[in-house]
Amino acid sequence: EPEVTQTPSHQVTQMGQEVILRCVPISNHLYFYWYRQILGQKVEFLVSFYNNEISEKSEIFDDQFSVERPDGSNFTLKIRSTKLEDSAMYFCASSIGLAGLSSYEQYFGPGTRLTVT
Amino acid sequence: GQQVMQIPQYQHVQEGEDFTTYCNSSTTLSNIQWYKQRPGGHPVFLIQLVKSGEVKKQKRLTFQFGEAKKNSSLHITATQTTDVGTYFCAGLSASGGSYIPTFGRGTSLIVHP
Repeated sequence: EPEVTQTPSHQVTQMGQEVILRCVPISNHLYFYWYRQILGQKVEFLVSFYNNEISEKSEIFDDQFSVERPDGSNFTLKIRSTKLEDSAMYFCASSIGLAGLSSYEQYFGPGTRLTVT
Repeated sequence: GQQVMQIPQYQHVQEGEDFTTYCNSSTTLSNIQWYKQRPGGHPVFLIQLVKSGEVKKQKRLTFQFGEAKKNSSLHITATQTTDVGTYFCAGLSASGGSYIPTFGRGTSLIVHP
């Protein structure tokens, strides 16, 4: 069964450093998403991406965040200057159609645990 | 902004007992999705409900969407140890044309054998 993959599984970085989290969505999917989950808390939407541009973003997705699809397979989340409160699990997800419209299922990747020290 | 409340936060049951988690939205939803997250795992899509009063079943799982499309529930009959995990609802607001889902805090189900 096709799956979303994410690398690395765990990233430790120092405050103020830049990190890039990588995702390979399912190959025929057109919509891509990033979510974060602070330990023990709920999943929070960050951004959705379609046709090489951001479709929607939440209040969390401020200027320190950016997303990119540098080639036909990867989808990246860059955090420019990490803060302690950015420590969380970051999930990438993809769907064939826009999730929430009809029953397009989002497939989540295994996540990248980001620890900012 | 839209808020989705989910209760209870934790539920301990003996294997074989039933389990229910409830979601309530502060605003009318266009649809609601349910996800399961195993400990240390990632969210896995279970189902999406769209119609007012809709009821869907998946084996021992029954999902309901309220008539006013502001609340939803997930009921598991005769829980098994494989049901352990956190169940999240995620609602999509009916207004504004936004497709940003708002997740509930989740209900962690612990099944004792």
